[in-house]
Amino acid sequence: ILNVEQSPQSLHVQEGDSTNFTCSFPSSNFYALHWYRWETAKSPEALFVMTLNGDEKKKGRISATLNTKEGYSYLYIKGSQPEDSATYLCAFDGAGNMLTFGGGTRLMVKP
Amino acid sequence: KAGVTQTPRYLIKTRGQQVTLSCSPISGHRSVSWYQQTPGQGLQFLFEYFSETQRNKGNFPGRFSGRQFSNSRSEMNVSTLELGDSALYLCASSLNFGMNTEAFFGQGTRLTVV
Repeated sequence: ILNVEQSPQSLHVQEGDSTNFTCSFPSSNFYALHWYRWETAKSPEALFVMTLNGDEKKKGRISATLNTKEGYSYLYIKGSQPEDSATYLCAFDGAGNMLTFGGGTRLMVKP
Repeated sequence: KAGVTQTPRYLIKTRGQQVTLSCSPISGHRSVSWYQQTPGQGLQFLFEYFSETQRNKGNFPGRFSGRQFSNSRSEMNVSTLELGDSALYLCASSLNFGMNTEAFFGQGTRLTVV
């Protein structure tokens, strides 16, 4: 059974704060690491698909880094906004399209 | 471009019954995966189909089955429903099988077993 862990489980921040979450995953049989944002009553939305050790990806105020050798990825949000409130999920892909999800980090941004 | 469509959105079934859920992927996508989300277990992989063939299967009992049609639409079936099958079932479509492939999720079917 693959172990994909995310921390923290939940996070409350003020509007304008910058924040980051961690995803740890197995360092062997690595294909890709996916990050998703999941807002209540909506579909999970893909943020990043990362495949190379040292990869850094950015989309607006959100960025992510990847370390496949030690098995972790960080997701950063700069200047959090209330609309960033969601659950952020990471998913480890060790076999091609078979995603093992972490438990998620629930982010709440207060105006 | 239409997204991933799952039907029905909500379903209530009785223990012992069977249920079929449907997923229409994004046009041109050939891979469809299914996931189950329960409060205690989070999102868990059920199976993945590519070009009508099951490529991967998660750790679920044989009561859970699926198939994919030539137009890439997929169905999953759960027979002899149990209370613990109550969950949100999500499907995701990808352009191809393999790494570096972004998966697009539908809104899910919420199944309640009573």
